[in-house]
Amino acid sequence: AQKVTQAQTEISVVEKEDVTLDCVYETRDTTYYLFWYKQPPSGELVFLIRRNSFDEQNEISGRYSWNFQKSTSSFNFTITASQVVDSAVYFCALSDNTGGFKTIFGAGTRLFVKA
Amino acid sequence: DAMVIQNPRYQVTQFGKPVTLSCSQTLNHNVMYWYQQKSSQAPKLLFHYYDKDFNNEADTPDNFQSRRPNTSFCFLDIRSPGLGDAAMYLCATSLGTSGSTDTQYFGPGTRLTVL
Repeated sequence: AQKVTQAQTEISVVEKEDVTLDCVYETRDTTYYLFWYKQPPSGELVFLIRRNSFDEQNEISGRYSWNFQKSTSSFNFTITASQVVDSAVYFCALSDNTGGFKTIFGAGTRLFVKA
Repeated sequence: DAMVIQNPRYQVTQFGKPVTLSCSQTLNHNVMYWYQQKSSQAPKLLFHYYDKDFNNEADTPDNFQSRRPNTSFCFLDIRSPGLGDAAMYLCATSLGTSGSTDTQYFGPGTRLTVL
């Protein structure tokens, strides 16, 4: 069965701190994709990254970086030097070939960045 | 810019009064989705269209219907809204060439209030 677990419900940091959001997933498929989305207070889900199961290279985009480890079924997201504008709910999500067009979302982690 | 547009952003309706939410896209994507998101929860897929093929999630109440008259537009009809239907409704699109593993792009959402 597919499952995405984001164990951290809320995280609060002070501006300029680094913060890591955890994501653990379950799937029986060998081919799958993992996603991170950001949902600011305005409500729109903003796509951040898509990673396929065959690409375990870590990725960096500006202050954002992602650590994909198949051995632990984790796809963690780190924000370096956090800013107030990073305050949002972040969702990790999983799609595989057994779920049809269904993407499974984690429960989300609410990040507060204080000035 | 290519995008996903939802109207209205805020909708207030009365208990039992039918309401229609609309979504349009300029991405020319094959797949359009409707999600319901209640406060502090992950988005929940209601249904999706692959082109004109409608796919309903098993646990989507009959009260929720959808129409896709053409590639660009998709509507969510709530026939008799109850208080429990108050939520954010998110429309998303994906290209559809890689099935469920395509990236989904979301609109800004419509926040529905039921009085």
